[in-house]
Parts: sequence; C-alpha cells; structure tokens
Amino acid sequence: DAKTTQPTSMDCAEGRAANLPCNHSTISGNEYVYWYRQIHSQGPQYIIHGLKNNETNEMASLIITEDRKSSTLILPHATLRDTAVYYCIVRVEGETGANNLFFGTGTRLTVIP
Amino acid sequence: KAGVTQTPRYLIKTRGQQVTLSCSPISGHRSVSWYQQTPGQGLQFLFEYFSETQRNKGNFPGRFSGRQFSNSRSEMNVSTLELGDSALYLCASSSGLAGGITDTQYFGPGTRLTVL
Repeated sequence: DAKTTQPTSMDCAEGRAANLPCNHSTISGNEYVYWYRQIHSQGPQYIIHGLKNNETNEMASLIITEDRKSSTLILPHATLRDTAVYYCIVRVEGETGANNLFFGTGTRLTVIP
Repeated sequence: KAGVTQTPRYLIKTRGQQVTLSCSPISGHRSVSWYQQTPGQGLQFLFEYFSETQRNKGNFPGRFSGRQFSNSRSEMNVSTLELGDSALYLCASSSGLAGGITDTQYFGPGTRLTVL
C-alpha cells in the first residue's frame, strides 16, 4: 500500500541544491522516513533516514515537518551522478518483519549540465 | 566492510526451466530480503529470511522460494520459469534485529534474469 506521495519527475541544474518532496500524511508515530535512490539498473542505495528531527549526513539532508506529514530530501550541490530515481519510504522500526519495504514509483531526478 | 554481493549478475534461461540466485549479506547481518523489479510492477518484496527462517513473505506464487544458510547467505529459487519472470532480482541485508534499533537495509547490485 502506498504510504508516500512523490512527484514523478524533477529537474535540477548542476551545482544547485536539489529539493525532493515527499508527502506521508498517514505516517504513524513509530514510523521512520527512509530515502533510497536507484541509478539505472543498479541496486537501490541507502541515503538517509529520520524519525522527527532533521538529519544530515555526507550525502544529503532530511527535513521533516513538525507534524511529520511531509519531508524534503536535500542534495546540497547536485552533480550529474545524482541523476537517479529517488524513493521515499516509511517503515516501522523496532519490530521484526518490518523489512518488506514498499518502494512506490519514486521521483526521477535529472541533473542538467 | 564489503557490501552485499549477488551472483550471477546476468542470467538467461528458457521457459519451464528453474533458476537459483545467490546473495551474500554484509558481514554480521542476519536478515536477507529479496525483491523483484520489473518495468511494469516496480520494486516488489518477495520474502525475508532471518536466522535460516522465512520471517516475512510478499504476494508471489509458490514457484518463488528461498532459503538461508547458517552463515546468513541466502539463495532464491524460481521454478517453471515464465516470460514474466524476467526481471532484476535484488537482495538486501540488514542486522535483522528489533528492539528500538534502526535496521537499515543495504542492497546488492542485483541479478538480471532474462527468460526466453
């Protein structure tokens, strides 16, 4: 079942920040927001995840709204290698059997030179 | 730490045959999940194994099966192949532990299966 809504596609100029939105209005209190990306025909790559606080790592930042109904993945300086399909996923933590991730259709990000 | 490895990377079979795919998880990870990706259906969960037991199962026919060994390596088998089984098969590993621990899944490169 789709728990997230993402735009089908987005473009971003190389060197600019890419802001990818995700709506998850039915998210439960114990569900985390995860982001993965998939470069053509490769395995999905884990990017970042968070519960309610904003998170940052070497790849990206994750901004989660206070009501947790939406989030934004930020790639601060997009490069051509960031062209990929980005998936926003919500999943429960702390429970067995929570590894059946539902990927949805994701957002196809194209970074333009 | 080495990532998730899958073998073979590419495979061509004919209808009616069977196929076995292999996945070696990240060292220390005890959970292995399998996914099928097709252009029409996207990425779909097949099943998860943890400590040699199937812990979770998606909505696929019984032709799709799997197993996990004591070293956490996993195999997936598809019997009586159909044209529609042509897909990228992905495996992902995680610690598999619960109890308040975030259990991030890391994916392998996939096995591209073509059924003729």
